[in-house]
Amino acid sequence: AQTVTQSQPEMSVQEAETVTLSCTYDTSENNYYLFWYKQPPSRQMILVIRQEAYKQQNATENRFSVNFQKAAKSFSLKISDSQLGDTAMYFCAFMKQTGNQFYFGTGTSLTVIP
Amino acid sequence: EAGVAQSPRYKIIEKRQSVAFWCNPISGHATLYWYQQILGQGPKLLIQFQNNGVVDDSQLPKDRFSAERLKGVDSTLKIQPAKLEDSAVYLCASSLARYSGANVLTFGAGSRLTVL
Repeated sequence: AQTVTQSQPEMSVQEAETVTLSCTYDTSENNYYLFWYKQPPSRQMILVIRQEAYKQQNATENRFSVNFQKAAKSFSLKISDSQLGDTAMYFCAFMKQTGNQFYFGTGTSLTVIP
Repeated sequence: EAGVAQSPRYKIIEKRQSVAFWCNPISGHATLYWYQQILGQGPKLLIQFQNNGVVDDSQLPKDRFSAERLKGVDSTLKIQPAKLEDSAVYLCASSLARYSGANVLTFGAGSRLTVL
């Protein structure tokens, strides 16, 4: 079975600063995908960034980047130049290459302080 | 493209009553998921459909929950009878295909259920 662990229930960061959210996972699969999803207060969940396990290069999307350490089964999200609109719950998710089943962590609540 | 549509957005019922939620996925998305998200927790998969067939319903409480996707497009999730612990947001999501490496989940806005 796949498990996803987010050990930081809550975090805060000053506007314009950088913050890193942690995620670890457990799997016996060799090929899989990892995701970070964002869920703003009372709004729907949207994809932030996606990483294929077979790619060594870390994914980047504007101010969002990941640090993917396959051997350590670690997948952290770095948000640079934090903005007030980044305030949200962030969920780390794992998807097996076959079966299309997604497994989510318990989330990290991020607050950006003006 | 239109997103994943869900209704109703909010529902309040008393325990032992029944409720149904509807989801219309993105056009062409073969895989449809229902998740339960209890306040402060991550989404928990209830059931996954591939077209109109069930791929995974291992965490669906089948004594009270049922779901169908008859024509391989929209889906209905039913709870009967509801319990207090069913209070949650029910999220519907869809993805393009089962064996696509480009798959991502697209979520609807969710249906918030309160059981009194």
